[in-house]
Amino acid sequence: SQQGEEDPQALSIQEGENATMNCSYKTSINNLQWYRQNSGRGLVHLILIRSNEREKHSGRLRVTLDTSKKSSSLLITASRAADTASYFCATDAIGGGADGLTFGKGTHLIIQP
Amino acid sequence: DSGVTQTPKHLITATGQRVTLRCSPRSGDLSVYWYQQSLDQGLQFLIQYYNGEERAKGNILERFSAQQFPDLHSELNLSSLELGDSALYFCASSQTSGYNEQFFGPGTRLTVL
Repeated sequence: SQQGEEDPQALSIQEGENATMNCSYKTSINNLQWYRQNSGRGLVHLILIRSNEREKHSGRLRVTLDTSKKSSSLLITASRAADTASYFCATDAIGGGADGLTFGKGTHLIIQP
Repeated sequence: DSGVTQTPKHLITATGQRVTLRCSPRSGDLSVYWYQQSLDQGLQFLIQYYNGEERAKGNILERFSAQQFPDLHSELNLSSLELGDSALYFCASSQTSGYNEQFFGPGTRLTVL
């Protein structure tokens, strides 16, 4: 079953603009991770944010986590054509430390040159 | 490159057959996870092994099984294949069990005809 739900399902923006994707989840978590997938290829780990963190940065990426609302957002600043991909959030539920990640359906991001 | 390798890259077989997918985790990682990605189900966790022992099961069918060997590589065995088993199969690894980043391999694309 899908724990995370990304919003929007698809997003098309101009190169140089910022892209924001949101993720909502259902159960309490230990951490939340964001991954990128280019067209049917492997998933690339972008960032992990723990449940006691509110914000994390990595290069042009900014992730926020609001555990009271069970939601997270991924902001990509100054987008580039190479950022075109699908983005997934994945959660690691409390009590499920040995379990695999639960993924949302993803946001498909298209950067127009 | 995540450091996780998977073979083969593509596999085409017929219904009723059995196949084996292979995964080598990143150097030093003890946990191996298997995931299935299909258009209708999205990314689903199948099973996890930690240091040779089965640790957690997700949505894995009884026709599927896995194992992790002493050198920590893992194999996923799929038998009595059906058309609906056509999907991308990913292996991921992490240092320990749970609570950590998981690094994904490039995947094996299975087509059942």
